[in-house]
Amino acid sequence: QITLKESGPTLVKPTQTLSLTCTFSGFSVSTTGVGVAWFRQPPRKAPEWLAVVYWDDDKRYRPSLRNRLIIIKDTSKNQVVLTMTNMDPVDTATYYCALHEYSSSLFDPWGQGTLVTVSS
Amino acid sequence: DIQMTQSPPSLSASVGDRVTITCRASQSINKFLNWFQQKPGKAPRLLIHSASTLQSGVPSRFSGTGSGTDFTLTITGLQPEDFATFYCQQSFTAPYTFGPGTDLEIK
Repeated sequence: QITLKESGPTLVKPTQTLSLTCTFSGFSVSTTGVGVAWFRQPPRKAPEWLAVVYWDDDKRYRPSLRNRLIIIKDTSKNQVVLTMTNMDPVDTATYYCALHEYSSSLFDPWGQGTLVTVSS
Repeated sequence: DIQMTQSPPSLSASVGDRVTITCRASQSINKFLNWFQQKPGKAPRLLIHSASTLQSGVPSRFSGTGSGTDFTLTITGLQPEDFATFYCQQSFTAPYTFGPGTDLEIK
């Protein structure tokens, strides 16, 4: 059974850096064809894709956030960490991680999500 | 970025009805189109990938068609648990963009 779970702070102040961890089981991010992606969903809006890291350490970022995001994988810990700098209230959202199967380009399953509020 | 649009934005229907939601991409995405269902407070659930392939465990009353730029999601015989928000997403190229969603409500 494949599961993913997000963890990190629920409240950050403007200008601070957010660090979120996706801890997963049931697969390895070193397996060919596997990636772990991050998404976020502001309240009452559609989800938006943020970044993905692949088995070969290839990384892709949302162009509009490229200069604020870093994604890294720790294969030994079965974790992927997303860092977002210079947080702003508009970054308030539920953040999700998901397994990405590269060949079919599908994102499934997703973690339960973690709500991050940006406020002073 | 590839822009995704959906129609209608909202839809009222009754249990047992057949409903169709459409999704359009701003450029061809072949069949790299996914449909998600989301209920309040829950993560999106993948229903259909590759435009028409039912994800494991998803009831057969859900179906998808389309390729290129135009796609549809059909639910045949609505059940009470189907009322939710539905999103299409293109997985052809990054950034992997979503449509704005369709709220399916009970009439």
